[in-house]
Amino acid sequence: DGGITQSPKYLFRKEGQNVTLSCEQNLNHDAMYWYRQDPGQGLRLIYYSQIVNDFQKGDIAEGYSVSREKKESFPLTVTSAQKNPTAFYLCASNTGQGVTDTQYFGPGTRLTVL
Amino acid sequence: QKEVEQNSGPLSVPEGAIASLNCTYSDRGSQSFFWYRQYSGKSPELIMFIYSNGDKEDGRFTAQLNKASQYVSLLIRDSQPSDSATYLCAVNGAGNMLTFGGGTRLMVKP
Repeated sequence: DGGITQSPKYLFRKEGQNVTLSCEQNLNHDAMYWYRQDPGQGLRLIYYSQIVNDFQKGDIAEGYSVSREKKESFPLTVTSAQKNPTAFYLCASNTGQGVTDTQYFGPGTRLTVL
Repeated sequence: QKEVEQNSGPLSVPEGAIASLNCTYSDRGSQSFFWYRQYSGKSPELIMFIYSNGDKEDGRFTAQLNKASQYVSLLIRDSQPSDSATYLCAVNGAGNMLTFGGGTRLMVKP
């Protein structure tokens, strides 16, 4: 099956811990994105990558880090510097070409700080 | 700052009625517009996109775009209880990046 997978589905973090969220795609997409969604809110862009070994900050990158060592994988680390990390995290991908290129989403990871 | 505005709702319509969801955007350079549906606790799924002025129909869904008024809408005909969800408007602007609205919660009552 082609698609985007995210793991884990649920994640609990203690204060001061770093945690890493996984995102993998087998759609052969060049571009990948991380969004954060708070209850009753839209999606806000954390980081994006349009090519392997390159990534850019989005609107709310502080307290987060990413890597893009493989085309298929774009993990997100939520660091202890992120003061309010409890949210729903969504990974998306597309070919990165053309204005009608659709972003497709993974199932999401729900992070809760204990 | 690019902005995409949606009424948060909830928008309540009876089963079988037409639901009309609206979205306005601030960036006149925006080129394409996407509607996603998001069920509670799930990730967004694409309903349709539009990039030319006018109407675009796909089954029970019609997207309408008016670039002069910076306005895009989604009509859902013959609304069903299974259409109850949050509908997200997303606008593709400079750098091929999407900016999302806050979403409109739709409730279809049997």
